[in-house]
Amino acid sequence: AQKITQTQPGMFVQEKEAVTLDCTYDTSDQSYGLFWYKQPSSGEMIFLIYQGSYDEQNATEGRYSLNFQKARKSANLVISASQLGDSAMYFCAMRDETSGTYKYIFGTGTRLKVLA
Amino acid sequence: DGGITQSPKYLFRKEGQNVTLSCEQNLNHDAMYWYRQDPGQGLRLIYYSQIVNDFQKGDIAEGYSVSREKKESFPLTVTSAQKNPTAFYLCASSISGGAQYFGPGTRLTVL
Repeated sequence: AQKITQTQPGMFVQEKEAVTLDCTYDTSDQSYGLFWYKQPSSGEMIFLIYQGSYDEQNATEGRYSLNFQKARKSANLVISASQLGDSAMYFCAMRDETSGTYKYIFGTGTRLKVLA
Repeated sequence: DGGITQSPKYLFRKEGQNVTLSCEQNLNHDAMYWYRQDPGQGLRLIYYSQIVNDFQKGDIAEGYSVSREKKESFPLTVTSAQKNPTAFYLCASSISGGAQYFGPGTRLTVL
């Protein structure tokens, strides 16, 4: 069964430092997609970054990068130069195509707190 | 501005009542999704739709119903059969297989 695991319920990072949020996944599919979302206290989910299973390069979007290690089935999010506004919940998700339609499986999230 | 709107932001339901949560998108996305989020938890899929007039049950569909009569709209009804409906409800849309874009959410409370 498809599964996303985020083992860090909470993380602290000092402002301007880099932080890595862990995500491991389980799938028997060869074709899949991995996503990271940010959820501030307001509740709205914000798409951050995407990695396809066939992408050879790690995805990057501004201060966000995805450390994709296919053999280890991990897709960790790296946030560089943390800012106070980065304090939020972060969710890793995987696209599930096994039913012949596209749906998405989410992890339980990591709460990040950036310290001034 | 393209985006997804959900209404209302806050909703209160009495025991035995059905309530409907609205979700509208103008992103021209084919796929739409409803999720439930409980405090401190991840998102659980309720229903999803890939095309108009078609939808599929997610992992926790019992006590909920949906319709997809227009591409732009995917309302969710929380029926009286849903015994524990107090939660935060998020609607999302995407192009098929692409990143999901979410609305601001509806917080439902049972009185």
